[in-house]
Amino acid sequence: DAKTTQPPSMDCAEGRAANLPCNHSTISGNEYVYWYRQIHSQGPQYIIHGLKNNETNEMASLIITEDRKSSTLILPHATLRDTAVYYCIVRVDSNQAGTALIFGKGTTLSVSS
Amino acid sequence: GAVVSQHPSRVICKSGTSVKIECRSLDFQATTMFWYRQFPKQSLMLMATSNEGSKATYEQGVEKDKFLINHASLTLSTLTVTSAHPEDSSFYICSARGQGHNEQFFGPGTRLTVL
Repeated sequence: DAKTTQPPSMDCAEGRAANLPCNHSTISGNEYVYWYRQIHSQGPQYIIHGLKNNETNEMASLIITEDRKSSTLILPHATLRDTAVYYCIVRVDSNQAGTALIFGKGTTLSVSS
Repeated sequence: GAVVSQHPSRVICKSGTSVKIECRSLDFQATTMFWYRQFPKQSLMLMATSNEGSKATYEQGVEKDKFLINHASLTLSTLTVTSAHPEDSSFYICSARGQGHNEQFFGPGTRLTVL
C-alpha cells in the first residue's frame, strides 16, 4: 500500500473549517484514500473514503486532487469534540480477506474555543 | 455503522499471568478480525489478522506463542496475552470486517497494565 504524509499537528478555532492535508504521491490507480480519527483512549472511527471523486457525508468532505497525489479532509464547522488524531490511509479495496488498515502517525488536530 | 465491542475495557494483572481480551461484532458477521497494539503517543501497530475458522497471520516481530488469537465464530475473536510482562502494557484494539465489505469497524480498545 502507498505511504502517506501528514503534518504532525494542526490547530483550528471552534466553528471554523478544519482542512487536513495528506500527500500520497505514490498512490496506485486501484487504491482508495481512507480517513479515520482517534479520540484519546478510544478506538479509531471511520470518517470517509474515496477513489477519485470528491466525497461528502454527514461528518466531512474529502477533496482528492485530479492527479490523486494528495487529498484534503474538510470538517466544515469544527467543534471541541473534533479534537483527535486524524489518519489518512491509502489502501486497495478488496472483498478478499486480509488487507488490514495500516496506520501512520496522523495529524493531531486541536480545536479550541 | 456496525458495532464492535471489547471486553474488558481495562485490566490490571500481575507479571507472569495470562490475560484474555474478547472482541465481538454485535450486528454483523465478521469474517476477518484484526488486532492492533498502541503504545502511549504512538500510532496503532497491526499485530495479526485472523479469519474465522483458520489460524491467525502474525506480523513480523509479533510472537504467536505469546499472543494467542482465536477466531472460532463469526462474531467473536479472542486475544490471550500469555505470561504477561510490564512491557506488554499497552492499549489493545480489535477491528472487524464483514464478508463483502471493505470497511473496518473498530472496538473501543482494552487498556492492559501489567504490574
